[in-house]
Amino acid sequence: QQPVQSPQAVILREGEDAVINCSSSKALYSVHWYRQKHGEAPVFLMILLKGGEQKGHDKISASFNEKKQQSSLYLTASQLSYSGTYFCGTVPTANTDKLIFGTGTRLQVFP
Amino acid sequence: NAGVMQNPRHLVRRRGQEARLRCSPMKGHSHVYWYRQLPEEGLKFMVYLQKENIIDESGMPKERFSAEFPKEGPSILRIQQVVRGDSAAYFCASSPQGQKSYEQYFGPGTRLTVT
Repeated sequence: QQPVQSPQAVILREGEDAVINCSSSKALYSVHWYRQKHGEAPVFLMILLKGGEQKGHDKISASFNEKKQQSSLYLTASQLSYSGTYFCGTVPTANTDKLIFGTGTRLQVFP
Repeated sequence: NAGVMQNPRHLVRRRGQEARLRCSPMKGHSHVYWYRQLPEEGLKFMVYLQKENIIDESGMPKERFSAEFPKEGPSILRIQQVVRGDSAAYFCASSPQGQKSYEQYFGPGTRLTVT
């Protein structure tokens, strides 16, 4: 089952914050976050493993609630370079390496 | 350290022809994954390979599609008798170990157009 992301699209002014959610109907072992700019390859942002951890670097962080089967990506003080489509990818168990990508969230940051 | 390489970057085929897409993983990576992306859509898992082994091909169409990752050389995604619906961007990614716990690095993709 494909994870569902919300919202589908976000429009921000530079400096504003955003939260992107990723929900799965299945249990999760790990959650990956990627950003893809138009016409380019996805770029890895971070991975969260089972255990409810929170990770972050610079102004982008993420949390993973395995009980709720959800992950959230937090973008603070957004920059123009944050524009793109954000995808979460989920792995349901430790017995598989198959990553299922979410529906995507398109983020546009304007000056 | 060179990243994941894919070639060709753009490929045009007529209906009924064969398409061969190549992927060279990052140095030291033995796990390769192929994804398909239709315009304005997300990435769909196709197949996961290690050297000389197909680990998971649950996302591959049953007919016309095949993949390999030989002991020597790049991974190949082969599409026989292409149809218009095969037009898409095909990305491969590699990771040092299983991607459940490790980040994967994507190649630039091959844009396949079927005329």
